[in-house]
Amino acid sequence: KAGVTQTPRYLIKTRGQQVTLSCSPISGHRSVSWYQQTPGQGLQFLFEYFSETQRNKGNFPGRFSGRQFSNSRSEMNVSTLELGDSALYLCASSWGGRGQSYNEQFFGPGTRLTVL
Amino acid sequence: DQQVKQNSPSLSVQEGRISILNCDYTNSMFDYFLWYKKYPAEGPTFLISISSIKDKNEDGRFTVFLNKSAKHLSLHIVPSQPGDSAVYFCAASSLLPGGTSYGKLTFGQGTILTVHP
Repeated sequence: KAGVTQTPRYLIKTRGQQVTLSCSPISGHRSVSWYQQTPGQGLQFLFEYFSETQRNKGNFPGRFSGRQFSNSRSEMNVSTLELGDSALYLCASSWGGRGQSYNEQFFGPGTRLTVL
Repeated sequence: DQQVKQNSPSLSVQEGRISILNCDYTNSMFDYFLWYKKYPAEGPTFLISISSIKDKNEDGRFTVFLNKSAKHLSLHIVPSQPGDSAVYFCAASSLLPGGTSYGKLTFGQGTILTVHP
């Protein structure tokens, strides 16, 4: 079974631009979560999508948004980029079933975003 | 407010010996705990998990222990191998009403494990 894939793997943008990152979950997984990893803050939860609906959201400004498509693929968008948005953005999928294993997540390799 | 803490930034162990990685949490709503391993330039890899209704879970060389009263969990790796050298993250979640809800894992800051041949 193929793992979680993320594209692109590396991205360089300038301040004020916007960026869209893509995530394809493991086949059969319906939940997709996004995380930001920085040296200072560690891994921080951005949001989670299930069946094309955002079910949970972390403490990030509205410049960070996402969506999920009917095939469970997800995109994340960051508008008006700031220098502090430079980070590794990780996508994780889980099957989304009942019970505690709902949050047993499998991660993609990440997209390294650099904002200049 | 760091709800999941890994107080040891690094750990060095000899090959063949036991590695013990520790994790503390403060949120009593957490009811599911996971350990991930991460190599540079890769996403975290799921290792093992434990529900709050258990105090131990084993999978091959990996065993996770949970002490709910102390809000403490640990990951034991026996025997340690050089290929185990990586950053290890403890994570917690809650699906209880009023908990952190769906899709959100709260991570510790990680412990760098180095296993020497």
